[in-house]
Amino acid sequence: EVQLVESGGGLVQPGGSLRLSCAASGFTFSHYLMAWVRQAPGKGLEWVANIKEDGSEKFYVDSVRGRFTISRDNAQTSLYLQMNSLRVDDTAMYYCARFNDSASFDKWGQGSRVIVSS
Amino acid sequence: DIVLTQTPDSLPVSLGERAIIRCKSSQSILASFNNKHSLSWYQQKPGQPPQLLIFWASTRKWGVPDRFSGSGSGTDFTLTISSLQAEDVAVYFCHQYYSTPTFGQGTRLELK
Repeated sequence: EVQLVESGGGLVQPGGSLRLSCAASGFTFSHYLMAWVRQAPGKGLEWVANIKEDGSEKFYVDSVRGRFTISRDNAQTSLYLQMNSLRVDDTAMYYCARFNDSASFDKWGQGSRVIVSS
Repeated sequence: DIVLTQTPDSLPVSLGERAIIRCKSSQSILASFNNKHSLSWYQQKPGQPPQLLIFWASTRKWGVPDRFSGSGSGTDFTLTISSLQAEDVAVYFCHQYYSTPTFGQGTRLELK
């Protein structure tokens, strides 16, 4: 069974940092592009970043570029999101998602909640 | 970035009735390599992550009930639920991955 399990969220002050992790299992992790998608409370979905199968290319939404870094460890079948210089508007549930060759996110984790507040 | 606009924002429907949700793209999302539209639909229930229903605009994911169907071309797409069941109450999002991924703002489907 495919599983994506996020961890690392929490409460942080503006300007602080957090590192999210996503442990993947049940599929060949290194064969898939992976992504982070977030959802602010009561709002819609926003793609944050993705990373190619071998980690060679990374892409970010404009609002996080230069502050967030996506990475992966295929040996550990894990995806990461290093979040620096956090802002109040980064408050959201952060989902790890698998991208498949049908141009869609076919598997999602349960999410990790990030709250940025003083 | 490609903007996806869903209508309506909220849709009250009676059990057994048909529900139609529309998604309009600000530009074509037709993938040239396979001549299919890079448009997906997701269902999100409260407290849960989104779940993929439809990809390539009209292909139902394995296991999704056949009362869910997707259609459309050009820049106009539709998700139809042919006969609403209580468990279909959720928020529905369209999504494109033709270019930088974007999502529609969501449509809240509720019981009338």
